[in-house]
Amino acid sequence: SQQGEEDPQALSIQEGENATMNCSYKTSINNLQWYRQNSGRGLVHLILIRSNEREKHSGRLRVTLDTSKKSSSLLITASRAADTASYFCATAVNQAGTALIFGKGTTLSVSS
Amino acid sequence: EAEVAQSPRYKITEKSQAVAFWCDPISGHATLYWYRQILGQGPELLVQFQDESVVDDSQLPKDRFSAERLKGVDSTLKIQPAELGDSAMYLCASSPRTGGWNEQFFGPGTRLTVL
Repeated sequence: SQQGEEDPQALSIQEGENATMNCSYKTSINNLQWYRQNSGRGLVHLILIRSNEREKHSGRLRVTLDTSKKSSSLLITASRAADTASYFCATAVNQAGTALIFGKGTTLSVSS
Repeated sequence: EAEVAQSPRYKITEKSQAVAFWCDPISGHATLYWYRQILGQGPELLVQFQDESVVDDSQLPKDRFSAERLKGVDSTLKIQPAELGDSAMYLCASSPRTGGWNEQFFGPGTRLTVL
């Protein structure tokens, strides 16, 4: 079963623009993580935000978490063609040892 | 930089045949995960190991899938017999400790096509 749902499913922007993708989830969490997957490859961890955090930054990435709305957003600023990939949110519930649950992903296309 | 290794990268087989995938996690990582990712979907957990023990295999179709991590290091995932619906990407990941409270490191995956 998939707990996270990303929105939109697909996003096309021009280089230099910002990209925002959202994730909603169903149950209470310990943390939420964002991963990137280039076409046909493995996933790469981008950022982890814990349930007691509201915002986190890493380079051009900004993640917010609203536990009251059970939602998170990933903002990529000044997008580059190399940011073209699928982005997945993954949630970790509060039970220790329970594995991540991934959403269906947002496919981002950045054109030059 | 340490990486998770997987082989083969691609596998084409006919239905009813047996297939096996291998994964070597990052050295020192106690936890190893096998995920299946259907095209257009997110990864779904098949099995989670802590050292050589299975922590969670509730989503593993045990009538045809098996997984082992005998010495608590590398791991093998087997499908016998393969079915058309098994066509997917099989991803291996590792982390220092068990569960989702930590970052996971993924291998490049094995893309399986069942004809």
